[in-house]
Amino acid sequence: GAVVSQHPSRVICKSGTSVKIECRSLDFQATTMFWYRQFPKKSLMLMATSNEGSKATYEQGVEKDKFLINHASLTLSTLTVTSAHPEDSSFYICSARDRRTRSGSWIENIQYFGAGTRLSVL
Amino acid sequence: AQTVTQSQPEMSVQEAETVTLSCTYDTSENNYYLFWYKQPPSRQMILVIRQEAYKQQNATENRFSVNFQKAAKSFSLKISDSQLGDTAMYFCAFMKHGGSNYKLTFGKGTLLTVNP
Repeated sequence: GAVVSQHPSRVICKSGTSVKIECRSLDFQATTMFWYRQFPKKSLMLMATSNEGSKATYEQGVEKDKFLINHASLTLSTLTVTSAHPEDSSFYICSARDRRTRSGSWIENIQYFGAGTRLSVL
Repeated sequence: AQTVTQSQPEMSVQEAETVTLSCTYDTSENNYYLFWYKQPPSRQMILVIRQEAYKQQNATENRFSVNFQKAAKSFSLKISDSQLGDTAMYFCAFMKHGGSNYKLTFGKGTLLTVNP
């Protein structure tokens, strides 16, 4: 399958600082990337959809000014947690949509995931 | 809006045995995709298997197979010859074809433990 790299894997920061998380599709171009948040032993909660060259689409209840998303190229999306607070501590996961066709069949539309970033805000 | 329900929060199976994880979904769409992802303790989400709704044939990937019942809106995952490495959280997911950016809707997950 395709590879998505997410960096850093873990970050610890002080309250009030900003943290940037990168998500890269390594062997395919991703016009669409997704950012999720996952609480312990819970499912993934979609935060926003990142489209290359346009503004991100945020899910209801997600503060767009706190979670800044930039999708500047077909292989890179970044999530910046601004003025982080302890309640922002969580596991953040990105995914990239692979829309290539294979063997002439229908568009795959598979999302491949990064390894996640554990954010701890002190 | 679509919903995905996984009614088994936890399951366990003995190594080498077979286990089936349940998933039901609710949608008014006719053209969509269904997925099973696994999340081992490393927390890396890994695609296990994928099914297009327009295909009647059940998808298979080595030891993993699905039972897709479109009319019943059921999409169960069967793991044969379970291995210790299959221990993970398993998420069932729905994607509407042509929907806004092809978002995934996840179930709450089933924690599968394979015992030696």
